[in-house]
Amino acid sequence: GIQVEQSPPDLILQEGANSTLRCNFSDSVNNLQWFHQNPWGQLINLFYIPSGTKQNGRLSATTVATERYSLLYISSSQTTDSGVYFCAVVPSGGFKTIFGAGTRLFVKA
Amino acid sequence: DAGVTQSPTHLIKTRGQQVTLRCSPISGHKSVSWYQQVLGQGPQFIFQYYEKEERGRGNFPDRFSARQFPNYSSELNVNALLLGDSALYLCASSFNGNTEAFFGQGTRLTVV
Repeated sequence: GIQVEQSPPDLILQEGANSTLRCNFSDSVNNLQWFHQNPWGQLINLFYIPSGTKQNGRLSATTVATERYSLLYISSSQTTDSGVYFCAVVPSGGFKTIFGAGTRLFVKA
Repeated sequence: DAGVTQSPTHLIKTRGQQVTLRCSPISGHKSVSWYQQVLGQGPQFIFQYYEKEERGRGNFPDRFSARQFPNYSSELNVNALLLGDSALYLCASSFNGNTEAFFGQGTRLTVV
């Protein structure tokens, strides 16, 4: 089955710093989403981005489907950005959503 | 509009017991998927239902079952609970199972 790898696994930032999270996937996909999981377990939708580039405030994402990767950019990080960021894909021709292992982000004040 | 709602939010059960978790999708969404998330890992796919039919299941034993009702709400049942079933159970709603998915707040199940 498709493999989804996220990097880095852990990231510690000083407030105000920028960061880039990466998601590599091993096969073609229909859908790709980025989520932020807060400390209470809620998965918050960040981007639905099977291809192309999107921006929402300090966050932006780019998916290059032909090269099988997606990037999530966080600019001017804040302590509230702390948590786990997941990339999730649906393989082409399939329906099961496969999650990566996540990137654990801690932003220090 | 209400988002995806799950109940209960927390649950403690004894080994060998049975549990039923419930999920109400976003209005207009016809697909519900269930996931299990153990501590420190990403969510793992259990089931997807679309228009009340099971579209597929993940690599989980037959102790796990689910159904979707005419109003598109769904239940996940787990029989003969094991300690290893302790996890956060997440429900996701989407229009047809292949579009953007939205998650509920989860049910945290502890098996003792």
